[in-house]
Amino acid sequence: DTGVSQDPRHKITKRGQNVTFRCDPISEHNRLYWYRQTLGQGPEFLTYFQNEAQLEKSRLLSDRFSAERPKGSFSTLEIQRTEQGDSAMYLCASSRDGGSYNSPLHFGNGTRLTVT
Amino acid sequence: GDSVTQMEGPVTLSEEAFLTINCTYTATGYPSLFWYVQYPGEGLQLLLKATKADDKGSNKGFEATYRKETTSFHLEKGSVQVSDSAVYFCALINTNAGKSTFGDGTTLTVKP
Repeated sequence: DTGVSQDPRHKITKRGQNVTFRCDPISEHNRLYWYRQTLGQGPEFLTYFQNEAQLEKSRLLSDRFSAERPKGSFSTLEIQRTEQGDSAMYLCASSRDGGSYNSPLHFGNGTRLTVT
Repeated sequence: GDSVTQMEGPVTLSEEAFLTINCTYTATGYPSLFWYVQYPGEGLQLLLKATKADDKGSNKGFEATYRKETTSFHLEKGSVQVSDSAVYFCALINTNAGKSTFGDGTTLTVKP
């Protein structure tokens, strides 16, 4: 179990630029989640995948956000035309499908995005 | 929709003091309940969980009991240590949905 890996750890970009983050989940986990966290708040759900299928997207996820998990392994989260309000910690988590939704999440250390 | 409310922090205690962090939830159906902990400079990690009413989750001296009648899952520890200083998040997973819903976190500082 090598844990959930996220890359990069930090990203500074100018408003209007596009950014892409990568997440590598724990290898035997077939569920993968993206969350966003701002200072003093808990993680806010963005989207999740079961294998390669994107099963749910939050209303927080505007048209500028897109996530993929093409082969059911790693995932990417892209933000187009970044805005200052996108500045946050982006968290990836994975879990095992045990036939129910009781499995806890295993989190990566996050990617901190700063939009200037 | 689902929601989790945690007692506001920060909480500052002396070593060996008793800890309670309150958590209440709103959810349809029968959610599973979790406490996650985030130590300084680290990612969130599971502390304990309970999947049905009256279940007690426990780990590292922490305990929480799933109380359906009061929709609560309060975190307790009888004697805190400096190493327990962290941010604690209460969360639920609704069995009707795949996503977890988190509270805003409670920062605990334990002083020697």
